[in-house]
Parts: sequence; structure tokens; C-alpha cells
Amino acid sequence: GAGVSQSPRYKVAKRGQDVALRCDPISGHVSLFWYQQALGQGPEFLTYFQNEAQLDKSGLPSDRFFAERPEGSVSTLKIQRTQQEDSAVYLCASSSGTMSYEQYFGPGTRLTVT
Amino acid sequence: GENVEQHPSTLSVQEGDSAVIKCTYSDSASNYFPWYKQELGKRPQLIIDIRSNVGEKKDQRIAVTLNKTAKHFSLHITETQPEDSAVYFCAAVPSGSARQLTFGSGTQLTVLP
Repeated sequence: GAGVSQSPRYKVAKRGQDVALRCDPISGHVSLFWYQQALGQGPEFLTYFQNEAQLDKSGLPSDRFFAERPEGSVSTLKIQRTQQEDSAVYLCASSSGTMSYEQYFGPGTRLTVT
Repeated sequence: GENVEQHPSTLSVQEGDSAVIKCTYSDSASNYFPWYKQELGKRPQLIIDIRSNVGEKKDQRIAVTLNKTAKHFSLHITETQPEDSAVYFCAAVPSGSARQLTFGSGTQLTVLP
């Protein structure tokens, strides 16, 4: 079946611009996670959804970062007033249910802030 | 919170040899330990995982061992092939979390033909 998809794959933004990154999880997957991966490092947790409820946003680095999943399927990560330190790959992962540990990742969106 | 350390950061082996990557974790209540393979510019792929109630798990050329007492787990790849070349990440799920993964810093594995 189709895996996790993300769009756009690449995004270049000028400092100060707002960006929106989209994640389409595997169909029927209840849990959705966003991670940030800086160059040469492991992914770092940003936020977690169970269906439409955002149950953990402890990893969001500032109030410029906002995520939503209004219908419990597609999710959007929005970054306002982008800064150079926001440059990274943003990964989305989904998991089948609250009792499942396995997470499956999308290809990521590479954000470059100039 | 959970802290995962991974060693080595780079590893080169000859084709056909074995490779071992080690990780330690800090939260003794962590109970799930996956390994991901990430090729350049690609998504992390889950290659094997282990739960805390199991000491070893094997899948063809790949195996993972877990020592809960010492709080470390290892990835073993036997009969390495050039296509095994990638960055490998270990991770742990800390207790009381929403099952978000805490990752190690990664190991760049190069298999020399």
C-alpha cells in the first residue's frame, strides 16, 4: 500500500516568510508524529497527534511552530517568520494505533531558509 | 528525559565482514528499541526492533541484542554487502511518553567492495 507522503519535498524560504509543510500518513493510521532532522544528526521529536488531538507538543522549539490535523488524517506543520536556524529536514511518521510502536516515516521536506 | 548515545559515528568494513553498532540509553523504563536505516536523501526505514521483554531478535543478516541491566542494545549485520552502506540510527521510546522516538546521533556505515 501507499506509504507516508510529504509535500513539498524541497522548500526555500526567505527569512521572515511563513511556510506550510504537509504530511499524508498511511491510511487508517491513528498516530502521527513530526520530527526535525538537522544535517548529520538524528531526528528530534516535535509533536504528536492521536487522530485529530494534539497530545504532545513539547518538542516544538518556539511559538512560531504550529501543527494541526483537523480531520485526523492529513497534518500540516506551519512555521511562521522563518529563521535560518529553522533550516532542516522535517519528517513525518505514522503509526497504526495507540498500542503500536512501529513508526513509518515519510521522505521529509527539506527546508532551507535564506 | 531519555538520552540515547550511539557509537561509533563512522564504521568501515570489508564486504562480507560483520558490523556492530552500539547504543546506550538512560531511562531504565524504556521498553521499545527500533533501528532505522537512512540512505542519503531518503526516508528512515525501520529495519528491526526489539521490545524490552526480549533479549535478542534476528531477521536474516540483521540481529539486535538488548541488555536491560546495562541499558544498552546493539545492531549486528553479518555478511555485509555494499548496499548496506547507509546511516543507521538507534532509538528508544521512553516511559510515559506518547511513544515518540528519541534517536541516537547515527552511524555512517561504509561497506568496501
